[in-house]
Amino acid sequence: EIVLTQSPATLSLSPGERATLSCRASQSVSSYLAWYQQKPGQAPRLLIYDASNRATGIPARFSGSGSGTDFTLTISSLEPEDFAVYYCQQRSNWPLFGPGTKVDIK
Amino acid sequence: EVQLVESGGGLLQPGRSLRLSCAASGFMFDDYAMHWVRQAPGKGLEWVSGISWNSGSIGYADSVKGRFTISRDNAKNSLYLQMNSLRAEDTALYYCAKDIQPMVPRYYMDVWGKGTTVTVSS
Repeated sequence: EIVLTQSPATLSLSPGERATLSCRASQSVSSYLAWYQQKPGQAPRLLIYDASNRATGIPARFSGSGSGTDFTLTISSLEPEDFAVYYCQQRSNWPLFGPGTKVDIK
Repeated sequence: EVQLVESGGGLLQPGRSLRLSCAASGFMFDDYAMHWVRQAPGKGLEWVSGISWNSGSIGYADSVKGRFTISRDNAKNSLYLQMNSLRAEDTALYYCAKDIQPMVPRYYMDVWGKGTTVTVSS
């Protein structure tokens, strides 16, 4: 079974800073990886799919990269509304989510 | 407006059964695979089950296999999750979610409901 690991668990940054979130798979998932954002009390929102494709309506400051086992979500300049928990998800077999990275305000 | 509305959650004892429903609107429901995803209190996301547009392909997480059954009624634009032999560890907020692509499932979820809460406790 593929296991996803996300790092760091918590990322403390200030608005305007660049955020770099990592997701690592225990075996190759090709480019079959997505990123979701979840704010407290809200449902998750799809940001990126197939490693680097932005979902509809997602701002350009969100970008994804990687393939195989190592993936990165980059937020180029944090807006106040970007402080949230971010999950990666693979779909090589059935969907599986990573444990999440919390981006909080420094 | 594309919308998913879950219902059917509640408080019940271990070993009991419950059926969740998800009403879809604003898109061609019968073109899309659908999923159930849950989130235990204070925890991360766990995919529970998915079903293709025509019910021809169904999958379950190992944690629910043999206890939960997913189904859909395309005529009613509705998705269901029959949950049997419930355990305390099934306590969670259950989300209904739509697959990103029509016909051929991509197993990415681009529309989510607000969820319905299931609490299993004696």
